Amino acid sequence: DGGITQSPKYLFRKEGQNVTLSCEQNLNHDAMYWYRQDPGQGLRLIYYSQIVNDFQKGDIAEGYSVSREKKESFPLTVTSAQKNPTAFYLCASSIEAGDTDTQYFGPGTRLTVL
Amino acid sequence: KNEVEQSPQNLTAQEGEFITINCSYSVGISALHWLQQHPGGGIVSLFMLSSGKKKHGRLIATINIQEKHSSLHITASHPRDSAVYICARSQGGSEKLVFGKGTKLTVNP
Repeated sequence: DGGITQSPKYLFRKEGQNVTLSCEQNLNHDAMYWYRQDPGQGLRLIYYSQIVNDFQKGDIAEGYSVSREKKESFPLTVTSAQKNPTAFYLCASSIEAGDTDTQYFGPGTRLTVL
Repeated sequence: KNEVEQSPQNLTAQEGEFITINCSYSVGISALHWLQQHPGGGIVSLFMLSSGKKKHGRLIATINIQEKHSSLHITASHPRDSAVYICARSQGGSEKLVFGKGTKLTVNP
Protein backbone atom coordinates (compact mmCIF):
# COMPACT_ATOMS: atom_id res chain seq x y z
CA ASP A 1 0.00 0.00 0.00
CA GLY A 2 1.26 3.45 -0.87
CA GLY A 3 1.33 6.15 1.74
CA ILE A 4 3.28 8.36 4.09
CA THR A 5 4.77 7.15 7.33
CA GLN A 6 6.01 9.23 10.22
CA SER A 7 7.87 7.91 13.18
CA PRO A 8 7.67 7.86 16.05
CA LYS A 9 4.06 8.75 16.89
CA TYR A 10 5.07 10.19 20.26
CA LEU A 11 8.46 11.68 21.07
CA PHE A 12 9.81 13.11 24.28
CA ARG A 13 12.99 15.11 24.53
CA LYS A 14 14.76 17.21 27.09
CA GLU A 15 15.06 20.92 26.54
CA GLY A 16 18.22 21.85 24.64
CA GLN A 17 18.43 18.62 22.66
CA ASN A 18 18.07 18.40 18.90
CA VAL A 19 15.57 15.84 17.66
CA THR A 20 14.87 14.48 14.18
CA LEU A 21 11.41 13.49 12.99
CA SER A 22 11.16 10.95 10.21
CA CYS A 23 8.92 11.19 7.13
CA GLU A 24 8.92 8.59 4.37
CA GLN A 25 6.62 8.27 1.34
CA ASN A 26 6.31 5.59 -1.32
CA LEU A 27 3.87 7.49 -3.51
CA ASN A 28 6.61 8.64 -5.89
CA HIS A 29 5.67 12.24 -5.14
CA ASP A 30 8.08 15.03 -5.97
CA ALA A 31 6.88 17.51 -3.35
CA MET A 32 6.99 17.09 0.42
CA TYR A 33 5.98 19.39 3.25
CA TRP A 34 6.33 19.79 6.99
CA TYR A 35 3.60 21.46 9.03
CA ARG A 36 3.23 22.30 12.67
CA GLN A 37 -0.13 22.21 14.44
CA ASP A 38 -0.80 23.93 17.76
CA PRO A 39 -4.08 23.92 19.69
CA GLY A 40 -6.51 26.51 18.36
CA GLN A 41 -4.37 27.34 15.34
CA GLY A 42 -4.36 26.33 11.72
CA LEU A 43 -1.56 24.26 10.26
CA ARG A 44 1.55 26.31 9.61
CA LEU A 45 4.16 25.47 7.00
CA ILE A 46 7.69 24.92 8.27
CA TYR A 47 9.58 23.78 5.17
CA TYR A 48 8.74 22.31 1.81
CA SER A 49 10.67 20.58 -0.94
CA GLN A 50 9.74 20.57 -4.60
CA ILE A 51 12.37 18.09 -5.67
CA VAL A 52 15.32 16.10 -4.38
CA ASN A 53 18.22 18.19 -3.06
CA ASP A 54 16.07 21.31 -2.93
CA PHE A 55 13.94 22.79 -0.17
CA GLN A 56 12.42 26.13 0.76
CA LYS A 57 11.54 27.84 4.03
CA GLY A 58 7.90 28.11 4.95
CA ASP A 59 6.29 30.58 7.30
CA ILE A 60 7.90 29.36 10.54
CA ALA A 61 11.28 27.87 9.57
CA GLU A 62 13.32 29.39 12.42
CA GLY A 63 14.73 26.72 14.70
CA TYR A 64 14.14 23.90 12.20
CA SER A 65 16.24 22.25 9.50
CA VAL A 66 15.49 19.70 6.79
CA SER A 67 17.22 17.63 4.14
CA ARG A 68 16.00 15.96 0.96
CA GLU A 69 18.69 13.55 -0.12
CA LYS A 70 16.22 10.97 -1.41
CA LYS A 71 12.87 11.43 -3.13
CA GLU A 72 11.06 9.31 -0.58
CA SER A 73 12.51 10.87 2.58
CA PHE A 74 12.20 14.35 4.11
CA PRO A 75 13.42 14.37 7.74
CA LEU A 76 12.83 17.38 9.98
CA THR A 77 15.27 18.35 12.73
CA VAL A 78 13.95 20.43 15.59
CA THR A 79 16.96 22.24 16.96
CA SER A 80 17.57 23.72 20.38
CA ALA A 81 17.07 27.15 18.78
CA GLN A 82 13.33 26.48 18.43
CA LYS A 83 11.84 28.35 21.37
CA ASN A 84 8.61 26.40 21.72
CA PRO A 85 9.05 23.00 20.07
CA THR A 86 6.23 21.12 21.79
CA ALA A 87 3.61 20.58 19.08
CA PHE A 88 2.06 18.10 16.65
CA TYR A 89 4.09 17.77 13.46
CA LEU A 90 2.59 16.63 10.19
CA CYS A 91 4.36 15.63 7.02
CA ALA A 92 2.63 15.70 3.65
CA SER A 93 3.41 15.04 0.02
CA SER A 94 1.91 15.84 -3.37
CA ILE A 95 2.67 14.89 -6.92
CA GLU A 96 4.03 18.33 -7.64
CA ALA A 97 4.55 21.44 -5.52
CA GLY A 98 1.49 23.26 -6.76
CA ASP A 99 -1.14 24.43 -4.31
CA THR A 100 -3.87 22.94 -6.45
CA ASP A 101 -2.44 19.46 -6.01
CA THR A 102 -3.99 17.22 -3.37
CA GLN A 103 -1.70 16.80 -0.40
CA TYR A 104 -1.48 13.43 1.33
CA PHE A 105 -0.71 13.56 5.02
CA GLY A 106 1.14 11.26 7.34
CA PRO A 107 -0.23 10.25 10.78
CA GLY A 108 1.83 12.88 12.57
CA THR A 109 4.37 12.96 15.40
CA ARG A 110 3.54 14.54 18.73
CA LEU A 111 6.70 16.07 20.18
CA THR A 112 6.89 16.99 23.83
CA VAL A 113 9.93 18.80 25.14
CA LEU A 114 10.36 18.44 28.88
CA LYS B 1 -5.49 37.74 11.30
CA ASN B 2 -6.04 34.37 9.66
CA GLU B 3 -7.01 34.76 6.03
CA VAL B 4 -9.28 31.74 6.26
CA GLU B 5 -12.10 31.85 8.78
CA GLN B 6 -14.23 28.87 9.74
CA SER B 7 -17.51 28.72 11.63
CA PRO B 8 -18.59 27.38 13.93
CA GLN B 9 -15.49 26.56 15.94
CA ASN B 10 -17.29 23.68 17.66
CA LEU B 11 -20.42 21.85 16.60
CA THR B 12 -22.38 19.15 18.40
CA ALA B 13 -25.14 17.26 16.60
CA GLN B 14 -27.36 14.26 17.04
CA GLU B 15 -27.01 11.29 14.76
CA GLY B 16 -29.00 11.81 11.58
CA GLU B 17 -28.85 15.60 11.58
CA PHE B 18 -27.79 17.67 8.58
CA ILE B 19 -24.49 19.44 9.25
CA THR B 20 -23.13 22.62 7.70
CA ILE B 21 -19.62 23.99 8.25
CA ASN B 22 -18.68 27.33 6.76
CA CYS B 23 -15.44 28.73 5.43
CA SER B 24 -14.74 32.31 4.35
CA TYR B 25 -11.60 33.72 2.85
CA SER B 26 -10.44 37.21 2.05
CA VAL B 27 -8.42 36.95 -1.15
CA GLY B 28 -8.92 35.48 -4.59
CA ILE B 29 -8.15 31.80 -4.80
CA SER B 30 -7.37 29.13 -7.32
CA ALA B 31 -8.87 26.34 -5.22
CA LEU B 32 -10.42 25.62 -1.85
CA HIS B 33 -9.59 22.42 0.02
CA TRP B 34 -11.60 20.59 2.67
CA LEU B 35 -9.77 18.16 4.94
CA GLN B 36 -10.78 15.87 7.78
CA GLN B 37 -8.64 15.28 10.86
CA HIS B 38 -9.56 12.31 13.02
CA PRO B 39 -8.98 12.21 16.79
CA GLY B 40 -5.72 10.32 16.28
CA GLY B 41 -4.35 13.24 14.30
CA GLY B 42 -4.20 11.87 10.78
CA ILE B 43 -5.54 14.14 8.03
CA VAL B 44 -7.26 13.11 4.81
CA SER B 45 -8.19 15.32 1.92
CA LEU B 46 -11.93 15.35 1.23
CA PHE B 47 -12.40 17.82 -1.59
CA MET B 48 -10.62 20.33 -3.73
CA LEU B 49 -12.90 22.67 -5.64
CA SER B 50 -12.66 25.90 -7.54
CA SER B 51 -16.30 26.33 -8.53
CA GLY B 52 -19.75 24.88 -8.05
CA LYS B 53 -20.29 21.76 -6.01
CA LYS B 54 -18.73 18.38 -5.39
CA LYS B 55 -20.32 15.34 -3.75
CA HIS B 56 -18.83 12.20 -2.27
CA GLY B 57 -21.16 9.90 -0.44
CA ARG B 58 -22.86 11.90 2.33
CA LEU B 59 -20.46 14.81 1.98
CA ILE B 60 -21.16 17.81 -0.21
CA ALA B 61 -18.87 20.79 -0.72
CA THR B 62 -19.98 24.02 -2.35
CA ILE B 63 -18.16 27.21 -3.18
CA ASN B 64 -19.26 30.72 -4.15
CA ILE B 65 -16.29 32.48 -5.69
CA GLN B 66 -17.96 35.90 -5.79
CA GLU B 67 -18.82 35.78 -2.10
CA LYS B 68 -15.50 34.12 -1.15
CA HIS B 69 -17.34 31.45 0.79
CA SER B 70 -17.46 27.67 0.88
CA SER B 71 -19.59 25.22 2.83
CA LEU B 72 -19.18 21.58 3.74
CA HIS B 73 -22.42 19.68 4.30
CA ILE B 74 -22.86 16.27 5.86
CA THR B 75 -26.19 14.55 5.34
CA ALA B 76 -27.52 11.92 7.75
CA SER B 77 -24.63 12.50 10.15
CA HIS B 78 -23.15 9.55 12.04
CA PRO B 79 -20.90 9.34 15.12
CA ARG B 80 -18.05 8.21 12.86
CA ASP B 81 -18.21 11.67 11.23
CA SER B 82 -16.87 13.13 14.48
CA ALA B 83 -13.63 14.84 13.56
CA VAL B 84 -12.08 18.24 12.96
CA TYR B 85 -12.88 19.63 9.53
CA ILE B 86 -10.36 22.03 8.06
CA CYS B 87 -10.59 24.27 5.05
CA ALA B 88 -7.56 25.65 3.26
CA ARG B 89 -7.22 28.01 0.35
CA SER B 90 -4.67 28.00 -2.40
CA GLN B 91 -3.67 30.98 -4.44
CA GLY B 92 -2.41 30.27 -7.90
CA GLY B 93 1.31 30.52 -8.38
CA SER B 94 2.17 29.63 -4.82
CA GLU B 95 3.17 26.31 -3.37
CA LYS B 96 1.57 27.17 -0.06
CA LEU B 97 -1.84 26.51 1.42
CA VAL B 98 -3.38 28.76 4.06
CA PHE B 99 -5.37 26.80 6.59
CA GLY B 100 -8.35 27.67 8.74
CA LYS B 101 -8.31 26.77 12.42
CA GLY B 102 -10.77 23.94 11.95
CA THR B 103 -14.27 23.07 13.11
CA LYS B 104 -14.57 20.33 15.71
CA LEU B 105 -17.66 18.22 14.99
CA THR B 106 -19.09 15.81 17.54
CA VAL B 107 -21.99 13.62 16.48
CA ASN B 108 -23.74 11.89 19.36
CA PRO B 109 -25.64 8.61 18.92
